[in-house]
Amino acid sequence: SQTIHQWPATLVQPVGSPLSLECTVEGTSNPNLYWYRQAAGRGLQLLFYSVGIGQISSEVPQNLSASRPQDRQFILSSKKLLLSDSGFYLCAWSDPARGSGNTIYFGEGSWLTVV
Amino acid sequence: DQQVKQNSPSLSVQEGRISILNCDYTNSMFDYFLWYKKYPAEGPTFLISISSIKDKNEDGRFTVFLNKSAKHLSLHIVPSQPGDSAVYFCAASGSPGGTSYGKLTFGQGTILTVHP
Repeated sequence: SQTIHQWPATLVQPVGSPLSLECTVEGTSNPNLYWYRQAAGRGLQLLFYSVGIGQISSEVPQNLSASRPQDRQFILSSKKLLLSDSGFYLCAWSDPARGSGNTIYFGEGSWLTVV
Repeated sequence: DQQVKQNSPSLSVQEGRISILNCDYTNSMFDYFLWYKKYPAEGPTFLISISSIKDKNEDGRFTVFLNKSAKHLSLHIVPSQPGDSAVYFCAASGSPGGTSYGKLTFGQGTILTVHP
């Protein structure tokens, strides 16, 4: 069966510090990978989307970047965090072979507090 | 531009009764709809989905209804249980070739509280 893990689960970072959140998927090949963010009191916003190694689509302009160095690894980064980057970050995957019946499965999430 | 909307921020229901969660969308290219359940500090869990070629899909206590002409879907939970208390998100994705294909657009969520 497929599993997805992301870490760290929680972190508190000062403004201006760098960020690295990592996500890995097991039990599948060539997944679509996603980074979502849930800000306080708001819905889930798609940040980045990847269909393959090195292929990243940014959905919203922001202070963050994403990379996919391996097929099942997705990394969310920032060089200098802003207060507004605080939120709950979710990595997710889907199987593109399923076509339009494309259910997305989420990791456990990472709480980021920028102070 | 909020393409998927859940206009009720919260819903309170007595145990054993029906919970009805509603969702509206504006993008006519959406053709696949999903409901997720989310507890605090956890990732959303997939509940049930429906393709635009259907108007109803049932899985145990959960039924999703789709009204394409009204661009409206709803999730019915019968009977509701205290363990159903969580935030429920509806989501939609588009058909192949469209800009929303392979990606989910989420509503803002509805907090469901089921009282014993």
